[in-house]
Amino acid sequence: GAVVSQHPSRVICKSGTSVKIECRSLDFQATTMFWYRQFPKQSLMLMATSNEGSKATYEQGVEKDKFLINHASLTLSTLTVTSAHPEDSSFYICSAPKPLAGGNNEQFFGPGTRLTVL
Amino acid sequence: QKEVEQNSGPLSVPEGAIASLNCTYSDRVSQSFFWYRQYSGKSPELIMSIYSNGDKEDGRFTAQLNKASQYVSLLIRDSQPSDSATYLCAPLAGGYQKVTFGTGTKLQVIP
Repeated sequence: GAVVSQHPSRVICKSGTSVKIECRSLDFQATTMFWYRQFPKQSLMLMATSNEGSKATYEQGVEKDKFLINHASLTLSTLTVTSAHPEDSSFYICSAPKPLAGGNNEQFFGPGTRLTVL
Repeated sequence: QKEVEQNSGPLSVPEGAIASLNCTYSDRVSQSFFWYRQYSGKSPELIMSIYSNGDKEDGRFTAQLNKASQYVSLLIRDSQPSDSATYLCAPLAGGYQKVTFGTGTKLQVIP
């Protein structure tokens, strides 16, 4: 079954509004989570690393004041797209590393949130 | 040099054939290697992980890793039309490091 969930799965909003997307690790704790964005027919692009208890780390070119990240607990990270515009319409996906026995871990992705800004 | 290089495809194989997907990476300290499958409009799904040199088999899938050559591959036996998707290779230097993807390889299995 799913190990990482996202909510909502789909959202349509008006230009200028803010949208919050939640990412939850379901049966493990994640001190780190990652947020990606994917435009149609393009690769996944990492936006930022969400860190529990500290500030998020943003990739070059990603506006931290526009894409607010809050790692509220060991199982929840939120991404808020502030003052959304049509060019922010995209598929937003989070991921989290799940620890495995033996010291390795595997990164699992949430099902994604499709944002459409009118 | 890109961090992860894959042939973008599309790679077309007939149903029942073996599909071979290749990936090279530039970061020599990479220790964990993952293959993800992404269907159009969906998020990536983890299908294989491999941590040491050699082969790892799971059902119809076999991952092969050669750290000296910085090369990892995925073989899909008895390919099915449902295997048609984009396959993403993801090497990681450490467990909690970010995953940076290449463009992936689009696989088309022809019935």
